[in-house]
Amino acid sequence: DAGVIQSPRHEVTEMGQEVTLRCKPISGHNSLFWYRQTMMRGLELLIYFNNNVPIDDSGMPEDRFSAKMPNASFSTLKIQPSEPRDSAVYFCASTKGSNQPQHFGDGTRLSIL
Amino acid sequence: AQKITQTQPGMFVQEKEAVTLDCTYDTSDQSYGLFWYKQPSSGEMIFLIYQGSYDEQNATEGRYSLNFQKARKSANLVISASQLGDSAMYFCAMREGVDSSYKLIFGSGTRLLVRP
Repeated sequence: DAGVIQSPRHEVTEMGQEVTLRCKPISGHNSLFWYRQTMMRGLELLIYFNNNVPIDDSGMPEDRFSAKMPNASFSTLKIQPSEPRDSAVYFCASTKGSNQPQHFGDGTRLSIL
Repeated sequence: AQKITQTQPGMFVQEKEAVTLDCTYDTSDQSYGLFWYKQPSSGEMIFLIYQGSYDEQNATEGRYSLNFQKARKSANLVISASQLGDSAMYFCAMREGVDSSYKLIFGSGTRLLVRP
């Protein structure tokens, strides 16, 4: 079975540009999560969806960040405008139940210059 | 207050020996779950093992076992017969609340280095 697929794997862009990160969850998984990992703050949950509906977005840093899940097989995390402090590894994960493990994608390493 | 505490920023272990990575948690919920993940230097997050708060037996998965001590609120990961490929960051995580809550809270991680 295919795992969680994220794209791009690496993104380098200049401050002020719009950045869009993409995620395809594992088929049959009904929950999807976006995390951010930095050395200073570790792994932080940004937002998660159940059945395509955003459930908890309390971790989204500010209005520059937005996430959508238009269908069960696709989600995006958008940053507009991007800032250097947004540089991090962004992970997408999915699961089919609360007592089931979250399976992570390989992450997107984002660098904002 | 920290929900998940991993007190060992870094550890060494000799190849083929066992090692215990500590994890303590803080919750007032009766229903919760505990997870361990491995993150090698390549960056991916790999699920290792899960323990539910109502599980009476300690979870085991191959060389991984979870030493679950509910009264002490600890969920230590034990890796038996360490291998060089076990060198990685290890994260403990907790899902708390009712079964419909899927949110995981991660600890700060322990970096394990296996010596040949």
